[in-house]
Amino acid sequence: DIQMTQSPSSLSASVGDRVTITCRASETIDSYLNWYQQKPGKAPKLLIYAASSLQSGVPSRFSGSGSGTDFTLTISSLQPEDFATYYCQQSYTNPDTFGQGTKLEIK
Amino acid sequence: QLQLQESGPGLVKPSETLSLTCTVSGGSITSSSYYWVWIRQSTGKGLEWIGSIYYSGSSYYNPSLKSRVTISVDTSKNQFSLKLRSVTAADTAVYYCARLVKEVETWFDPWGQGTLVSVSS
Repeated sequence: DIQMTQSPSSLSASVGDRVTITCRASETIDSYLNWYQQKPGKAPKLLIYAASSLQSGVPSRFSGSGSGTDFTLTISSLQPEDFATYYCQQSYTNPDTFGQGTKLEIK
Repeated sequence: QLQLQESGPGLVKPSETLSLTCTVSGGSITSSSYYWVWIRQSTGKGLEWIGSIYYSGSSYYNPSLKSRVTISVDTSKNQFSLKLRSVTAADTAVYYCARLVKEVETWFDPWGQGTLVSVSS
C-alpha cells in the first residue's frame, strides 16, 4: 500500500495566519491527491481534488499544489471556521489510502 | 443536492456479521460517472477505504478486508450495502458511505454523516 505521511500532525495558528500542511506519498502518485476537512462529529468534506482543483463551494483561500510525491494544502488567511482536522488521500493505486491527519487548532 | 444516509445496527457481537445500508437521495445510483463506496474511521487506524461498487454490481475491495467483505447494490431502492463477516473489536469504527467521482483522477464526494458501529459481546 502507498503510505501517506502528513506534517505537522498538529498545528496552532491564529485567525488571519497563512498555513501550509504537507503530505508526502511513499511512491509517486502523479496528481492523484485529494484533501478533506473534518470537523468534530462530522464527515470529511472534500476541499481539493486532483492535487490543485478547488471543489465547488469551497472558499478560494484554500489551495493545493504538488505532483509526484510531495503535496501542500495552503490556507491563505485562516478564518474561525477553518479550525478542523485535514486529511490527504491518494487515489493512484488500490487501495486508496489516507494520511493520518493534521489537527489545526486555535493559538 | 445529493445526500447519503447510512443505516444499520450500532452494536454487533464478535464473530457475527456487520450489515449496513446506504440510501442515496437527490440523485440516481445508476449515474454512469460514479461509483459508491464504504469508508471507515477508527481511532487506531484512521480513515480506511473498504470497497467500491458500480451500479452494474462490479465491485472491488481493500485487499486487507477482501476475504470478509461484500458490497452489493439495489438500484430499485437507490441503495447499496456493506456486509463485513467475522467481526472483532478491531472493526469498531464510524462507517461512512460516499460517492466516488471517477474522472481521470477520482475522489470521494459527498459523504454520508456516518454511523458508529461497536463490536462487543
